[in-house]
Amino acid sequence: LAKTTQPISMDSYEGQEVNITCSHNNIATNDYITWYQQFPSQGPRFIIQGYKTKVTNEVASLFIPADRKSSTLSLPRVSLSDTAVYYCLVAVTGGGNKLTFGTGTQLKVEL
Amino acid sequence: DAGVTQSPTHLIKTRGQQVTLRCSPKSGHDTVSWYQQALGQGPQFIFQYYEEEERQRGNFPDRFSGHQFPNYSSELNVNALLLGDSALYLCASSYRDVSYEQYFGPGTRLTVT
Repeated sequence: LAKTTQPISMDSYEGQEVNITCSHNNIATNDYITWYQQFPSQGPRFIIQGYKTKVTNEVASLFIPADRKSSTLSLPRVSLSDTAVYYCLVAVTGGGNKLTFGTGTQLKVEL
Repeated sequence: DAGVTQSPTHLIKTRGQQVTLRCSPKSGHDTVSWYQQALGQGPQFIFQYYEEEERQRGNFPDRFSGHQFPNYSSELNVNALLLGDSALYLCASSYRDVSYEQYFGPGTRLTVT
């Protein structure tokens, strides 16, 4: 089971770009990297998923180097509403879609 | 289009009692997973139901059981409640059991006294 390591917390200001890096040294060939966002008293929300190189959607970008041992979630021009916990997950191999969450990164955005 | 709904929102129970939590998946979804989230921790996978069968299970005792109905809704049952069962219980739905994009409900906050 691939374990992920990410910073416990990060601080930023409105309008800045935020990059959250996640380490997953034991990632398996069939694993995908997935990021979720969670606001207090709400369920997590899917942000983005990727296998290699770069993936971009309307919310974020995900950068994955060739060795896939780490990944970086990039949030462009954050606002106060982006204050949340961000979870990096590596999919469990062997089928099924069980999600294994760590403790996540608490992002705090200030004015 | 309704998202994932859960009931009740909050619940207070006494040690030793039993509780049933309910979940209705997002329209078009057929797979339901349950997670337990303790304060300050990430959600922990309990089990998943697909085609009315438990397909995967996390490291939870058999006091935790579930069911999926033909309309894809699901129940989570916890027997012999312990103080440590106090947590936010989250339901997530997806289409088939192989999608990593899961939609979570708002959760049920269970307090065991």
